Amino acid sequence: NAGVMQNPRHLVRRRGQEARLRCSPMKGHSHVYWYRQLPEEGLKFMVYLQKENIIDESGMPKERFSAEFPKEGPSILRIQQVVRGDSAAYFCASSQLAGGSYNEQFFGPGTRLTVL
Amino acid sequence: DAKTTQPNSMESNEEEPVHLPCNHSTISGTDYIHWYRQLPSQGPEYVIHGLTSNVNNRMASLAIAEDRKSSTLILHRATLRDAAVYYCILTNSGYALNFGKGTSLLVTP
Repeated sequence: NAGVMQNPRHLVRRRGQEARLRCSPMKGHSHVYWYRQLPEEGLKFMVYLQKENIIDESGMPKERFSAEFPKEGPSILRIQQVVRGDSAAYFCASSQLAGGSYNEQFFGPGTRLTVL
Repeated sequence: DAKTTQPNSMESNEEEPVHLPCNHSTISGTDYIHWYRQLPSQGPEYVIHGLTSNVNNRMASLAIAEDRKSSTLILHRATLRDAAVYYCILTNSGYALNFGKGTSLLVTP
């Protein structure tokens, strides 16, 4: 059973370009979460999605960032007009259950975004 | 979610037990205590979680104080593969995990 897959693993963009990060959850998981880890900091929750729905985007910056999890295909985190402060590792996690008393999240290896 | 406090780093000898403490004096009644660990250049890995009672699984044990203001992750026999940053996380949403700086565990042979 393949784990959570993220691609690309490394992404370099110039200021003003768009970054698209992809996440394929584990088989059978319908809940996806995106996290950002800035240098020398812990991961911070950004957004929680189920198929075709955004459940909680309270951790996502209000501008330039968007996320989707379509009926078919991977979840996408999109950053428009990237700035140097967007340089970070972006992790995706998936779970089989939502919230409640047991919600083990399985994390992918992350995408390291560098903005020049 | 309430704040947690962990030591920056700890060191252990291989095959010795390790007790990783976490203080969370402002924990609310609905906060679950989660522990994850992260190896260098990898995504975090779930270790264990609990609410009020002590918990055991194949990886570790979680001891929760009676007043829930602190908890301890116990690795019964540390191996070199257990060297990682360990994060103690509280959440009442059940899904929004916000990681602090964690405890960097060094295991020496």
